[in-house]
Amino acid sequence: DTGVSQDPRHKITKRGQNVTFRCDPISEHNRLYWYRQTLGQGPEFLTYFQNEAQLEKSRLLSDRFSAERPKGSFSTLEIQRTEQGDSAMYLCASSFPGQGPSDTEAFFGQGTRLTVV
Amino acid sequence: AQRVTQPEKLLSVFKGAPVELKCNYSYSGSPELFWYVQYSRQRLQLLLRHISRESIKGFTADLNKGETSFHLKKPFAQEEDSAMYYCALGGGSARQLTFGSGTQLTVLP
Repeated sequence: DTGVSQDPRHKITKRGQNVTFRCDPISEHNRLYWYRQTLGQGPEFLTYFQNEAQLEKSRLLSDRFSAERPKGSFSTLEIQRTEQGDSAMYLCASSFPGQGPSDTEAFFGQGTRLTVV
Repeated sequence: AQRVTQPEKLLSVFKGAPVELKCNYSYSGSPELFWYVQYSRQRLQLLLRHISRESIKGFTADLNKGETSFHLKKPFAQEEDSAMYYCALGGGSARQLTFGSGTQLTVLP
């Protein structure tokens, strides 16, 4: 499978623990996004990387969340001191800029489902 | 602020019937609209985008700036169309997507 891959697919953790998720984008894609999806809602934007630079962060991304993309390839999303409200599906997407504003297709991974107990 | 509204959480139609999934948006700039689909146990994938004015799997969507709508239509629904459909608005400096809450389409035999 040459698409966006995410690891792990599922994570159950106790409240207060730290968790880290990994995303491997499609290799030639320089844009990488993290989204969060809760039950009954569409994905919500968290943060954006262009190559290794984190250029945009949503207000949803509290101080307990940190994301990195050290060499402009894979990315990690860490949540410190997890809370029950962090339970959600965390989606990663990547894209490559096209010729025009709507020529960019975002390719999504299958997500990491986090459950905080 | 960007906002996407999909008023129907659930929609059921019979096979062969027309289907329309509604999407309204709020955006001050020039909108970039998309429809994404998620089939059971599969990842979210792009179905179509307004700028391409294409028909994918028999689906079309027309951007109506006057009504700020981007409804998804198909004249004859098939059982394999059963899925979750998300309308999304692209924009911002990061070109991030703002998604609606989705419509679960079920096509009955």
